Amino acid sequence: DAKTTQPPSMDCAEGRAANLPCNHSTISGNEYVYWYRQIHSQGPQYIIHGLKNNETNEMASLIITEDRKSSTLILPHATLRDTAVYYCIVRILQGPDKLIFGTGTRLQVFP
Amino acid sequence: NAGVTQTPKFQVLKTGQSMTLQCAQDMNHEYMSWYRQDPGMGLRLIHYSVGAGITDQGEVPNGYNVSRSTTEDFPLRLLSAAPSQTSVYFCASSRLSAGGSTDTQYFGPGTRLTVL
Repeated sequence: DAKTTQPPSMDCAEGRAANLPCNHSTISGNEYVYWYRQIHSQGPQYIIHGLKNNETNEMASLIITEDRKSSTLILPHATLRDTAVYYCIVRILQGPDKLIFGTGTRLQVFP
Repeated sequence: NAGVTQTPKFQVLKTGQSMTLQCAQDMNHEYMSWYRQDPGMGLRLIHYSVGAGITDQGEVPNGYNVSRSTTEDFPLRLLSAAPSQTSVYFCASSRLSAGGSTDTQYFGPGTRLTVL
């Protein structure tokens, strides 16, 4: 699976959009981009995933660049409860899942 | 649905002791896995299973055993605990597609283990 690079930390004001970047310059054509988050030592929680098209669900939007070498997770209206570590993972949807978690981005939402 | 449950939530062991971390899921997921998370680090895969009777090693399997006798349960055994196994342990489960790939994973709340 391709390696991802994320900033170690970010801040965001409550009510504003949080944009979390991820670089995956060595991603291959059949690898998906997944985002999980981990709120204060709880188990990781799935957020969203995509292959090449932009995706949106009730939690977030995922924007993938046309060359697929980077992506951005957008939380449109961040709340204090969105304070967490966000992990960007790339993986092939083939065979058993072996999610490779890096150190992620620690997002701090402040009032 | 309770989702993925783990017991105990906290455990303190002495070096050399053995114990079993329990994991259960009620979603009829074929795939289950165990991760460990050390302070300031991401999760690392210990063992996984794609169905009852089938297990395989992940990234850091040494010192741990698993078995999968039912779809619901996937216990993790520490045979002789060492301080290096002090960590937070997460269990996860997922559906498997017809092609064998996993869907999104659901994680349990974790077990915090300290080995003295």
